[in-house]
Amino acid sequence: DQQVKQNSPSLSVQEGRISILNCDYTNSMFDYFLWYKKYPAEGPTFLISISSIKDKNEDGRFTVFLNKSAKHLSLHIVPSQPGDSAVYFCAAANTGNQFYFGTGTSLTVIP
Amino acid sequence: GAGVSQTPSNKVTEKGKYVELRCDPISGHTALYWYRQSLGQGPEFLIYFQGTGAADDSGLPNDRFFAVRPEGSVSTLKIQRTERGDSAVYLCASSFDSGYEQYFGPGTRLTVT
Repeated sequence: DQQVKQNSPSLSVQEGRISILNCDYTNSMFDYFLWYKKYPAEGPTFLISISSIKDKNEDGRFTVFLNKSAKHLSLHIVPSQPGDSAVYFCAAANTGNQFYFGTGTSLTVIP
Repeated sequence: GAGVSQTPSNKVTEKGKYVELRCDPISGHTALYWYRQSLGQGPEFLIYFQGTGAADDSGLPNDRFFAVRPEGSVSTLKIQRTERGDSAVYLCASSFDSGYEQYFGPGTRLTVT
């Protein structure tokens, strides 16, 4: 049973515009959420995270928003750059140290 | 510094054979995780080590899968009597203590024919 869902398998955005990647989860016990970026033939790379006590965390061009009541988080990338083209995974964790990953969204930034 | 490394990068084996996959975590990282990623899916948790002991092995799919970390550094994932359904990319990650930021290796692509 998928506890973390990314319903958009792919997304294409023009360079310079905003990319918005979405993620939904079902388990209200999750207390930490992360976004990972993955290039082909490489392992996922940590991008940004947010604790359940916050609703927004920003790091440069990347901002993660958390809506606990809707069990939804999103990653905003602005402005999008061609080097951002990759697969993005959303992940959620609870204090048990088990991480649950979504199925990923493949982002293509068009120059 | 050096990141997480995994060997081999690719492994092809016949159904029924035994395989070992190795993970070298980042030096000083006490927590180590194994994940399995099937095509079109996200990484799926298998097992988590804190030091030498398996703190959580609830993700191992059955008793054909076993993992060790005898000296609290390198870990080996062992799969007995491999089945075609075991074909996947096996990812290893490590973190400082049990911090949430995990650093992943490039993975081992296992193909069971």
